[in-house]
Amino acid sequence: GENVGLHLPTLSVQEGDNSIINCAYSNSASDYFIWYKQESGKGPQFIIDIRSNMDKRQGQRVTVLLNKTVKHLSLQIAATQPGDSAVYFCAENMSGGYSTLTFGKGTMLLVSP
Amino acid sequence: SQTIHQWPATLVQPVGSPLSLECTVEGTSNPNLYWYRQAAGRGLQLLFYSVGIGQISSEVPQNLSASRPQDRQFILSSKKLLLSDSGFYLCAWSVGQGLGGYTFGSGTRLTVV
Repeated sequence: GENVGLHLPTLSVQEGDNSIINCAYSNSASDYFIWYKQESGKGPQFIIDIRSNMDKRQGQRVTVLLNKTVKHLSLQIAATQPGDSAVYFCAENMSGGYSTLTFGKGTMLLVSP
Repeated sequence: SQTIHQWPATLVQPVGSPLSLECTVEGTSNPNLYWYRQAAGRGLQLLFYSVGIGQISSEVPQNLSASRPQDRQFILSSKKLLLSDSGFYLCAWSVGQGLGGYTFGSGTRLTVV
């Protein structure tokens, strides 16, 4: 399981700014990646995913970038809103055989009005 | 559409008491099912997963057990709770390996006193 400190990394931004949340993954065999958003007291919600044959994927106000060379994933949120305040997790998985999603440590995003 | 139900939402139990958390999925057949635990300010730790009725894989040895008596029912249990069992428990489901992501329930906040 994950061993993380008691305090999540925190990103504080002003409303309207663009936010970038970063994630380093560990398994070079991972070929599927997801970003989840978790609001306080709720279960994680799927935001966007990307497969390893892509390096960029865009959704509504969100973009995920994948750099397989350095095993790095980022989530960009455009025009951040107070409702975007939450903890964001990246997750990785491998296709083929059976494996489960492995979650990153999470980053708390705080958006000030 | 598929839905996942998890209950209770909150639970306060004394040390040494038993535990039973239930999760059911609707609108899909033969889902893969998962139990995660999340300690305060931490990431998601996979506890158990199941690919079919009666099939349980344990990721972390501990004071908990899981059962899948029906295709869309997943139960997390303990015979005697410990203080360290406190946390936020999340059930999730996926189609197959979950390369479209996992869908999470709303979670159960367990406090062992």
